[in-house]
Amino acid sequence: GQQVMQIPQYQHVQEGEDFTTYCNSSTTLSNIQWYKQRPGGHPVFLIQLVKSGEVKKQKRLTFQFGEAKKNSSLHITATQTTDVGTYFCYSGNEKLTFGTGTRLTIIP
Amino acid sequence: DAGITQSPRHKVTETGTPVTLRCHQTENHRYMYWYRQDPGHGLRLIHYSYGVKDTDKGEVSDGYSVSRSKTEDFLLTLESATSSQTSVYFCAISESPSFNQPQHFGDGTRLSIL
Repeated sequence: GQQVMQIPQYQHVQEGEDFTTYCNSSTTLSNIQWYKQRPGGHPVFLIQLVKSGEVKKQKRLTFQFGEAKKNSSLHITATQTTDVGTYFCYSGNEKLTFGTGTRLTIIP
Repeated sequence: DAGITQSPRHKVTETGTPVTLRCHQTENHRYMYWYRQDPGHGLRLIHYSYGVKDTDKGEVSDGYSVSRSKTEDFLLTLESATSSQTSVYFCAISESPSFNQPQHFGDGTRLSIL
């Protein structure tokens, strides 16, 4: 079945540094969604990307969908303590599949 | 936040006992999902529903059953709980299929099987 691999599994950054997580698929994705889960909380929808090469921004967050629609990235510029949490990508092509997530911790 | 209520929020029970988790929504969304979340595995789909009495299996459905007799309620049952089913369970809803529309999650149920 379709596998959505997410890297890295963990990332520790100094506050103010940038952060990037990547989602890679072995098959072409129709679209991709990104979610954030704060510690002890539930996943919250951030954004959906649909078009090849699409780039969307939300304040310090930049989301990209690859040209081949097989990968996606989430980049956070100048991290803040409020960015702490686990970031998941999701694709519902054939199997409703979440990535394993990237857990971001921030050193103040 | 979307109107999704999971109950109970926490439960501790013994191996072999039946357990039912409830998800209640006030959004009138057609699609409902049950996930389990375990360290290192992310979120894995157990079962989902695309309408009243219409359900289908996810990737980790063994040992679980579901029922949806009303639009607003989606029940997850562990007929005979095992320690491997200790997990955090999340319910989610969406207006249309989740590959097109975002999912909104409940606060989760922390289930411990001793």
